[in-house]
Amino acid sequence: EVQLLESGGGLVQRGGPLRLSCVASGFKFNDYVMTWVRQAPGKGPEWVSSISGSGGYTYYADSVKGRFTISRDNSKNTLYLQMTGLRAEDTARYYCLYTSTWYQEFDYWGQGTLVTVSS
Amino acid sequence: DIQMTQFPSTLSASLGDRVTITCRASQSVNSWLAWYQQKPGRAPKLLISKASTLKSGVPSRFSGSGSGTEFTLTISSLQPDDFATYYCQQYHTYSTFGQGTKVEIK
Repeated sequence: EVQLLESGGGLVQRGGPLRLSCVASGFKFNDYVMTWVRQAPGKGPEWVSSISGSGGYTYYADSVKGRFTISRDNSKNTLYLQMTGLRAEDTARYYCLYTSTWYQEFDYWGQGTLVTVSS
Repeated sequence: DIQMTQFPSTLSASLGDRVTITCRASQSVNSWLAWYQQKPGRAPKLLISKASTLKSGVPSRFSGSGSGTEFTLTISSLQPDDFATYYCQQYHTYSTFGQGTKVEIK
């Protein structure tokens, strides 16, 4: 059974850093592209960043480029999102997702982790 | 960037109604489009991929159509469990979601 367990969210001050983690199980982690998608309250989901199975390729939305860093540790089946320079508009629930190719629908969603940036 | 526009943003309907939601892409996404259902406090749930392929286990009253820039999600006969917010997603280039259509009880 696939499980994606996101953690690390919480209340953080504007400008501060935060690191999210996602522990995956139930599939061969290093064979899959991993992605972070966020959803602000009352808004549609927003793609944030994706990383290749090896970790050698990464892509970011313009809204987070230069502030967020995606990474993975395949020995721990864990995906990370290092966030810096947080803004009020980064307040959202963050989900980690997996796909077999770069561009694909998202079939499995975990519960996500909530990030709240206070001003 | 590919923008996705959904309409209407809110739809009031009664049980048994036929409901249609439209999603328009700012440029062609071929058939690389998915539809999701989301209920309050829950993560989105995939209903349809590749514009018209129903995910296993999703009721057949849901259907999707379209290609290029214009897509529709149709619920043939609205059931109590269908009152929710629906999102489209293009995955032709990276990923972009629509802003959602809330289906509420009339």
